[in-house]
Amino acid sequence: AQTVTQSQPEMSVQEAETVTLSCTYDTSESDYYLFWYKQPPSRQMILVIRQEAYKQQNATENRFSVNFQKAAKSFSLKISDSQLGDAAMYFCAYPQGGSEKLVFGKGTKLTVNP
Amino acid sequence: DAGVIQSPRHEVTEMGQEVTLRCKPISGHNSLFWYRQTMMRGLELLIYFNNNVPIDDSGMPEDRFSAKMPNASFSTLKIQPSEPRDSAVYFCASSRTTGGYTFGSGTRLTVV
Repeated sequence: AQTVTQSQPEMSVQEAETVTLSCTYDTSESDYYLFWYKQPPSRQMILVIRQEAYKQQNATENRFSVNFQKAAKSFSLKISDSQLGDAAMYFCAYPQGGSEKLVFGKGTKLTVNP
Repeated sequence: DAGVIQSPRHEVTEMGQEVTLRCKPISGHNSLFWYRQTMMRGLELLIYFNNNVPIDDSGMPEDRFSAKMPNASFSTLKIQPSEPRDSAVYFCASSRTTGGYTFGSGTRLTVV
């Protein structure tokens, strides 16, 4: 079965510091997308960043960047200059079997300390 | 762009009652997804449609659950009869390509 694993149920970071959230996945596909979603207490699911597997360059969106290691099937999210508003659940997701069916990890709860 | 619109935002119902959740996808998006989120099981895909046609309903828990998409701008998820274990947050999402979904705000369902 194709799976997405987030090994850190909870993480904390000091405001203005950097934190990295881990994600590994299992696939036999060669071309696919990977996603990070943020879910704040409002429960809205917000797309943070996406990575296309055929691109070697790591995706970046402002303070958010990924470290994509295709051979290792690793897709970590780095948040720089953490802000209080970054506190949320973060989910890694991957389309199952090359379809549109996104499979989500269990999530990492990020706390930002002032 | 109003985003994906779900209603109601909250629903409290008694066991045995019928519950209908509604979703309006983003105009131009041709795929629609229904997810359920619980603490125990996380985010689970229930069913998804492409061009209004159900493609995969393997995640629908049992016959009490049904989903329809009569046109490109509307979908419903119905539970009949509802049970306490159906209590969860139900999300609708839509997409145009595999570039990622846009989620609605979700419906928090409580069955008492």
